[in-house]
Amino acid sequence: QVQLQESGPGLVKPSQTLSLTCTVSGGSISSDSYYWTWIRQPAGKGLEWIGRIYTSGSTRYNPSLKSRVTISVNMSKNQFSLKLNSVTAADTAVYYCATNYDVLTGFRNWGQGILVTVSS
Amino acid sequence: QSVLTQPPSASGTPGQRVTISCSGSSSNIGSNAVNWYQQLPGTAPKPLIYNNNQRPSGVPDRFSGSKSGTSASLAISGLQSEDEADYYCAAWDDSLNGWVFGGGTKLTVL
Repeated sequence: QVQLQESGPGLVKPSQTLSLTCTVSGGSISSDSYYWTWIRQPAGKGLEWIGRIYTSGSTRYNPSLKSRVTISVNMSKNQFSLKLNSVTAADTAVYYCATNYDVLTGFRNWGQGILVTVSS
Repeated sequence: QSVLTQPPSASGTPGQRVTISCSGSSSNIGSNAVNWYQQLPGTAPKPLIYNNNQRPSGVPDRFSGSKSGTSASLAISGLQSEDEADYYCAAWDDSLNGWVFGGGTKLTVL
């Protein structure tokens, strides 16, 4: 069973870059056939898919965030990362990393989530 | 504004059967599988239903899913107090080339 753990700063200043890392255990980011995914949830609101990266390195992003998002993989550390630049208060949310095998099975494994607040 | 539409709230008494709807379009629910997630307060979403009507191991058979056209439903029978949670539907959207979610339904067990 793959386990995921998000890490990173809990507070980011407006206009700066939000950087988060998801550490994978119980699986291999280089060989498991998953889409390694980021999802976020503002307080009291619904879920929003941010984007994903496949083992091959190919990425796909939410069109509404595409200009500001980068997802990358560090295979040597068994981690994948999220960078969201030019953040505003609207980017304040709990950020989750998750695994997705295909369109049928959805998001099977989730991290516990990390709250990131954008504030000066 | 979520791409998939869910009622914001639902309620029922213990033992009752409740259903939660999820409405989409031809580019998402109409052409792809629907997944459902249960989110208890302060926790990450948990997979509840995948591929329209399949339950992951460990999910009680009180939970069931169905899909027809561009809409889907989650049914919970024999409602229990521990079912009080937020429920989300999700599907891949061929037009957006990404995943879309419903806005979530808060289920209250009276």
